[in-house]
Amino acid sequence: DTEVTQTPKHLVMGMTNKKSLKCEQHMGHRAMYWYKQKAKKPPELMFVYSYEKLSINESVPSRFSPECPNSSLLNLHLHALQPEDSALYLCASSLRLRGEQYFGPGTRLTVT
Amino acid sequence: GIQVEQSPPDLILQEGANSTLRCNFSDSVNNLQWFHQNPWGQLINLFYIPSGTKQNGRLSATTVATERYSLLYISSSQTTDSGVYFCAVGNQAGTALIFGKGTTLSVSS
Repeated sequence: DTEVTQTPKHLVMGMTNKKSLKCEQHMGHRAMYWYKQKAKKPPELMFVYSYEKLSINESVPSRFSPECPNSSLLNLHLHALQPEDSALYLCASSLRLRGEQYFGPGTRLTVT
Repeated sequence: GIQVEQSPPDLILQEGANSTLRCNFSDSVNNLQWFHQNPWGQLINLFYIPSGTKQNGRLSATTVATERYSLLYISSSQTTDSGVYFCAVGNQAGTALIFGKGTTLSVSS
């Protein structure tokens, strides 16, 4: 099974709200990633976790806060977002860093 | 950093036609993947192919790592093949995928 699940599928939030995106995989992968994809653009890396430790933070604003509570779960906490943060947020996992990455279906976020 | 260029940017085909999508990259890589992004946004793994040739049904891919390019072949295209095809390569540290801008394929019946 090469499935990565993400919830919710869609999210609409105001600029003062706090919300969280959730990503889960049960493939025993030890690297997990958050990517952001704007309309008609390719995905861009936000964060990388390896063995539940934050490995890469691609200069992402602090209004995005990642969390990896265990090896199967990855969260992205959102606070005080801006309308330009509206995008498709994709989670991915791989057996290890440098391995083949598998993507979840994404959360389509709209900030009003 | 690594640059990834895909061509053509757009491709329009009749059902049953064959096509070749190209991905050029600017440095040696240890990871290269091809994805199909469907209209709902899901990135579907097509091939993990840092080198060599692979085939899966009507799709096949070849990566010539020494010449820094990869090709994706789609034969007997179907309307369900429509969508965006991305090539992505691992960065130098191997910690992230760098995506090309994609090829948008439209197959009409």
